[in-house]
Amino acid sequence: QVQLVESGGGVVQPGRSLRLSCAGSGFTFSSYAMHWVRQAPGKGLEWVAVVSDGGGFKSYADSVKGRFTISRDNSKSTLSLQMNTLRAEDTAVYYCARDCGEIDKKTTNAFDIWGQGTVVTISS
Amino acid sequence: EIVMTQSPATLSVSPGERATLSCRASQSIGSNLAWYQQKPGQTPRLLIYGASTRATGIPARFSGSGSGTEFTLTISSLQSEDFTVFYCQQYDKWPLTFGGGTKVQIK
Repeated sequence: QVQLVESGGGVVQPGRSLRLSCAGSGFTFSSYAMHWVRQAPGKGLEWVAVVSDGGGFKSYADSVKGRFTISRDNSKSTLSLQMNTLRAEDTAVYYCARDCGEIDKKTTNAFDIWGQGTVVTISS
Repeated sequence: EIVMTQSPATLSVSPGERATLSCRASQSIGSNLAWYQQKPGQTPRLLIYGASTRATGIPARFSGSGSGTEFTLTISSLQSEDFTVFYCQQYDKWPLTFGGGTKVQIK
């Protein structure tokens, strides 16, 4: 079945780095843009970053721009998020999510498949 | 960035009744809007995209409407599993943005 599985979360000190991964299966990973979305404890959803299907287009939320880098390896069906200079406000569950892609010839950057999430806690 | 505002923050409704949730965009986004449902401890689920098209497997009691800056999610007859949190999300412009959510609770 279609599945996304995140890994790499943990507890790290402010200013340190962490790398998250997401493994896709059950679909043609290379045909879809992929996103990271996060949710701070007890809060709403926040989009973090996107990478296009081929990796040529990337975009970031202002809150992470310059600190986080999204990447993908289509040969391994994996998505990554390199997070540097982490702050307390980066504490959240991080979800990888699949982009809906083109529906009826219209680009639809909504998220149709979500992973279960990986927990990132920034604390000294 | 486009700011998405959902109202009310909390909606109290009796089972079997209709629920109407609102989402407003700070600028026109056409029909580039999605709705999600998130049950406690679970991953968000896509309900609606294109403002009014139900995603695969979504029951017909969920319907979306609106365009431009004003959008509505209607749940025609609330079932027990519908008492959860709902989010809207615009995908007209980067960065993608979500509303703050509406919690639907039992009256």
